Amino acid sequence: AQRVTQPEKLLSVFKGAPVELKCNYSYSGSPELFWYVQYSRQRLQLLLRHISRESIKGFTADLNKGETSFHLKKPFAQEEDSAMYYCALRGGSNYKLTFGKGTLLTVNP
Amino acid sequence: DAGVIQSPRHEVTEMGQEVTLRCKPISGHDYLFWYRQTMMRGLELLIYFNNNVPIDDSGMPEDRFSAKMPNASFSTLKIQPSEPRDSAVYFCASSLALGAGRDEQYFGPGTRLTVT
Repeated sequence: AQRVTQPEKLLSVFKGAPVELKCNYSYSGSPELFWYVQYSRQRLQLLLRHISRESIKGFTADLNKGETSFHLKKPFAQEEDSAMYYCALRGGSNYKLTFGKGTLLTVNP
Repeated sequence: DAGVIQSPRHEVTEMGQEVTLRCKPISGHDYLFWYRQTMMRGLELLIYFNNNVPIDDSGMPEDRFSAKMPNASFSTLKIQPSEPRDSAVYFCASSLALGAGRDEQYFGPGTRLTVT
C-alpha cells in the first residue's frame, strides 16, 4: 500500500526565514515523489519531482530512502510562496498518484 | 490552450438527485484522472483512463459513482443518487503519457459539489 503523510496542516513563517515542509511516505518499492502546489485562486500544479533533482522557485527536495522522507525546503521564504503544498507518491508500474493531505504555508511580511 | 476544462464550477443539489460532472482534457493527452478532495480525506484518485479506457477504478467509492470517457475530448463523472457525504471538490486532470517529462498531470479548476 502507498501512503503519504504531511504532518503539518498549517505552517507559518516570516519573509526571509527558511521553510521546510515535511513529507514522509510508506511504500515497499522504489517510489517516485512529487510536490504539487496550489496558489490562491489557481489550479493545482506540479512544483517539482525528485527524479529531476532541480530547484524550482528556490525550492528543493531530496528523497531520503532511509528516512522515507521527501521534505521540501527553501532557504529564504517569499510572500508569494504562500500556498497549499501537496506531497505525492507514485509507486512501481502503477500510474496512480497518492497525495498527502497538504500543508498550508503562509509567509508573513 | 485553456487547459483542462471542467463544468459546472459549482453544483448544489438535493439528496437523491443525479449529478453529472464534466471534463474536457488537454488536446493530445492520453491520460485522464478524476480526483475527489475533502477536508477529511484530502485528495483521492477515483478513476483514471488511458486512451478512453478505464484502467483503475479502485478509488470509486461505491456503485453510485460511475465514470465514462466516450471520446478523447470528453469525460463524465456521475453520481446517482447523490448523498450529502458526496459533497466535495472534484478535480479532473490529464497528462500526455507515461515517462518523466511527459507524465505531469495538469489539473482543472475543480467542481465544488454540495449535496443538501
